[in-house]
Amino acid sequence: SQQGEEDPQALSIQEGENATMNCSYKTSINNLQWYRQNSGRGLVHLILIRSNEREKHSGRLRVTLDTSKKSSSLLITASRAADTASYFCATDGEGYQKVTFGTGTKLQVIP
Amino acid sequence: DTGVSQNPRHKITKRGQNVTFRCDPISEHNRLYWYRQTLGQGPEFLTYFQNEAQLEKSRLLSDRFSAERPKGSFSTLEIQRTEQGDSAMYLCASSPGQANQPQHFGDGTRLSIL
Repeated sequence: SQQGEEDPQALSIQEGENATMNCSYKTSINNLQWYRQNSGRGLVHLILIRSNEREKHSGRLRVTLDTSKKSSSLLITASRAADTASYFCATDGEGYQKVTFGTGTKLQVIP
Repeated sequence: DTGVSQNPRHKITKRGQNVTFRCDPISEHNRLYWYRQTLGQGPEFLTYFQNEAQLEKSRLLSDRFSAERPKGSFSTLEIQRTEQGDSAMYLCASSPGQANQPQHFGDGTRLSIL
């Protein structure tokens, strides 16, 4: 079963615009991760935020985490055509060894 | 670091046949995971290994599925008597043994059942 749910399911923007994706999850977590998947390829890890962190940056990526609302957001600034991919959040529950993935947001960046 | 390698990349087989996939993780990673992903969905956890020990299996892993990691290095996933519903992308990932470490994924094996 999917633990997280991304919103929106699909997003289409112009190159240069910012893209925001949201993730909601159901149970307590140890950390939350965001991954990118290009069509037909495996997942690439983008960023990990621990449950005691509220915000994290990596290059053009900014992730926020609100454990009281059980939600996270991923912001991609100054998007590029190469950012076109599906983005998944994944949660690592307390005491668990595995991560559970959400349903994904499909992002299209139009040049 | 050569990354996680999966073979074959594509497998087409007839219903009822057995198939086996191989995953070679990053060499220093002692955790190895198998996931299944269908179109438009996120990866669903199947099983994971800590070294050679299989520590958890999903209910998705029916009796027709078996996974091994004999020497704590590469792993194989076998599906016996394949069914149409087994058509999916099978992804392998590995990670170090420490907490709060990301998983590194291979490019998957796409299985198509005719």
